[in-house]
Amino acid sequence: ELKVEQNPLFLSMQEGKNYTIYCNYSTTSDRLYWYRQDPGKSLESLFVLLSNGAVKQEGRLMASLDTKARLSTLHITAAVHDLSATYFCACLPAGGTSYGKLTFGQGTILTVHP
Amino acid sequence: EAGVTQFPSHSVIEKGQTVTLRCDPISGHDNLYWYRRVMGKEIKFLLHFVKESKQDESGMPNNRFLAERTGGTYSTLKVQPAELEDSGVYFCASSPLGQRYEQYFGPGTRLTVT
Repeated sequence: ELKVEQNPLFLSMQEGKNYTIYCNYSTTSDRLYWYRQDPGKSLESLFVLLSNGAVKQEGRLMASLDTKARLSTLHITAAVHDLSATYFCACLPAGGTSYGKLTFGQGTILTVHP
Repeated sequence: EAGVTQFPSHSVIEKGQTVTLRCDPISGHDNLYWYRRVMGKEIKFLLHFVKESKQDESGMPNNRFLAERTGGTYSTLKVQPAELEDSGVYFCASSPLGQRYEQYFGPGTRLTVT
C-alpha cells in the first residue's frame, strides 16, 4: 500500500528566508503532485513531477523528484507572506486497479511572518 | 468554464442525523472522485465513479456512507447516521474520461457532527 509522509507538518518562516518541505513515498508511483490550499478554497495544483530528476519552478517555489530515493522536495526561496497556505504532496500509484486514487501526505501548514 | 462545485460549503448536524453532500463536476468530466480530510490528517480517497458506475470504492469507511451518481452527472454522498468521527472536510474532484493524471478539486464541504 502506498504511503506518503510529509515533513515538517508545521513551518513558521520569516519573510526572506529559504526552506524546504520534504515528501517521502513508500512504493513506486506514476506521478508526484504538489498542491496548495488556502483556507476554504480548492486544492490548487502547483507541480506535477513525472520522472527521476525532474525539477520544476514557479516563482519562489521549486519542486524536485528523486524516484530512487522516493523523495520529492518543495523548496521555498525568499518567502513572502502570500505563500502562507497548506501544502500537500500526493502520489498516483503506478498502474493496477487504483486508477485515480491519489494518496496524500498529511499537509504542511506554512506561515510566513515579517 | 465552471469548476467543480460542492454544496453545502459547511454543514453542522447532530450525531445520528443524516446529511447529504453534493458534488457537481466540471461539465463533460466522466471521472468523479470523493476524498475526505478528517481532523487535520491526510486527505484520503473514498471512491471513484466513471460515469454512473463505481470504479473503486475501496476507501469508503463503512456502510453508513452511500455515494450515488445517477445519470453520470452530479454525485451525492450520504452519511446515515452520522457519527462524531465523520467530521471533516469532504472534497470532490473530477477529470475527463481516460485521463486520471489531472484531477480538478472542488472547495470541499466542511462537515461538523456534534
